[in-house]
Amino acid sequence: DIVMTQSPDSLAVSLGERATINCKSSQSVLYSSNNKNYLGWYQQKPGQPPKLLIYWASTRESGVPDRFSGSGSGTDFTLTISSLQAEDVAVYYCQQYYSIPFTFGPGTKVDIK
Amino acid sequence: EVQLLESGGGLVQPGGSLRLSCAASGLTFSSYAMSWVRQAPGKGLEWVSVISGSDGSTYYADSVKGRFTISRDNSKNTLYLQMNSLRADDTALYYCARGASGSTCYSGLDYWGQGTLVTVSS
Repeated sequence: DIVMTQSPDSLAVSLGERATINCKSSQSVLYSSNNKNYLGWYQQKPGQPPKLLIYWASTRESGVPDRFSGSGSGTDFTLTISSLQAEDVAVYYCQQYYSIPFTFGPGTKVDIK
Repeated sequence: EVQLLESGGGLVQPGGSLRLSCAASGLTFSSYAMSWVRQAPGKGLEWVSVISGSDGSTYYADSVKGRFTISRDNSKNTLYLQMNSLRADDTALYYCARGASGSTCYSGLDYWGQGTLVTVSS
C-alpha cells in the first residue's frame, strides 16, 4: 500500500499570509504513460464533508479560489494557500488514487494566528 | 446540481450487518465511478471501496475486504454498501462520493454526500 504522510500536523498563519502544506507518498504516484500525478487535495471544515480542491496534483477544481494551488511530482507535493482567509480554517488532506487501496494522508489542520 | 444522499446508518451490535444506500441525482449515474469513504469520530479520512461506472469492477480496502460489498443499481441511481461482520472499529461516518473522471476508478472525488453514521457497539 502507498503510505501518505503530511507535514506539519497543524499550522497557524496570520490572515493574508501564506500557508504551505506538504504531502509525501511512499512511492511515486506519477503515471508515466500520461504524465499525470494521481494526487488530490481536499478541504474539510467542521461538520462538513470533504471538498475537492486540487486534482492531478495541480489542477484546481472548478469554483476553487485561485489562492489555492498545488505543485509537485512523483512523491513530493505541496498545497499552498497564497493569502489565508478566515474561511480557509479547515483540515486539509492529500489522497493518492494511483493504486488501490487509495489512501489519504493524516490531515493538516490550518488555523488563524 | 449533483446531490448524494446517504441513508441506512444506525446502531448495530458487533457481528451484525447493515446496508448503506446512497441516492444520487443531478448526474448520469451510470457514467461515474462511485466510492465509499469513512471517518471515525475525530479521526481522518479512510477510503473504503470503489465501483467503476463501466464494467462494475469493485475494489476494497484491506480492512473491509471479505466483509463489505459495494454495488450499484443504475436503474435506481443508487449506490450500496453491504456491511457484514461489523466490528467496533467500523464505527464511523460513511460518505459516498463521485469519481471526478467519469467511469474510471482512478480519480479524485468531486461530489460528496453528508454521510450516514454507523455505530457498532453492544
